[in-house]
Amino acid sequence: ETGVTQSPTHLIKTRGQQVTLRCSSQSGHNTVSWYQQALGQGPQFIFQYYREEENGRGNFPPRFSGLQFPNYSSELNVNALELDDSALYLCASSNSGTGDSYEQYFGPGTRLTVT
Amino acid sequence: DQQVKQNSPSLSVQEGRISILNCDYTNSMFDYFLWYKKYPAEGPTFLISISSIKDKNEDGRFTVFLNKSAKHLSLHIVPSQPGDSAVYFCALVIGAQKLVFGQGTRLTINP
Repeated sequence: ETGVTQSPTHLIKTRGQQVTLRCSSQSGHNTVSWYQQALGQGPQFIFQYYREEENGRGNFPPRFSGLQFPNYSSELNVNALELDDSALYLCASSNSGTGDSYEQYFGPGTRLTVT
Repeated sequence: DQQVKQNSPSLSVQEGRISILNCDYTNSMFDYFLWYKKYPAEGPTFLISISSIKDKNEDGRFTVFLNKSAKHLSLHIVPSQPGDSAVYFCALVIGAQKLVFGQGTRLTINP
């Protein structure tokens, strides 16, 4: 069973640039959620994708957008980067429609630094 | 508005003793509760969960207790082992599988 993978591991961008982060879900999982974790804080929900559609969104501006592909992998795109976007971005996969669908399994994260 | 609070940023426990991690929440609409453990440079790892219709769930050394009237959740680890040293997050589920996390508690197990 393959776990959740994310790429890249680290990324440095300049304010105003755009970034794309990628996530491959765990084998057998059909739902992907993205979280932002600032230093010293718990992860904050950005949005979730199920069957290639956005299925819930947290309190993040529209410049945070995403995609889910037919193989359930996902991308997180952030436009017009701001310094406060510097954080660890976590992807989590789960299997909607099963008894344990609340349990989300996380990848190692992408550390984004905006300068 | 912090819906989920872990009021202890850190906890130090001697190896072999019981570790108790606490979590308080404000929204009674939460219907599922989870605990995650996080090592440096890794994503959170799912540990144990409990449904709002239960008040206790056990899995080996880990037991989660839920007190709905007090809106309080706790994780007991017994006996504590050095490998348990990590940051622990409580996470509550609301609506469309959105997880709301606490700020985390850093647990250190001393030999």
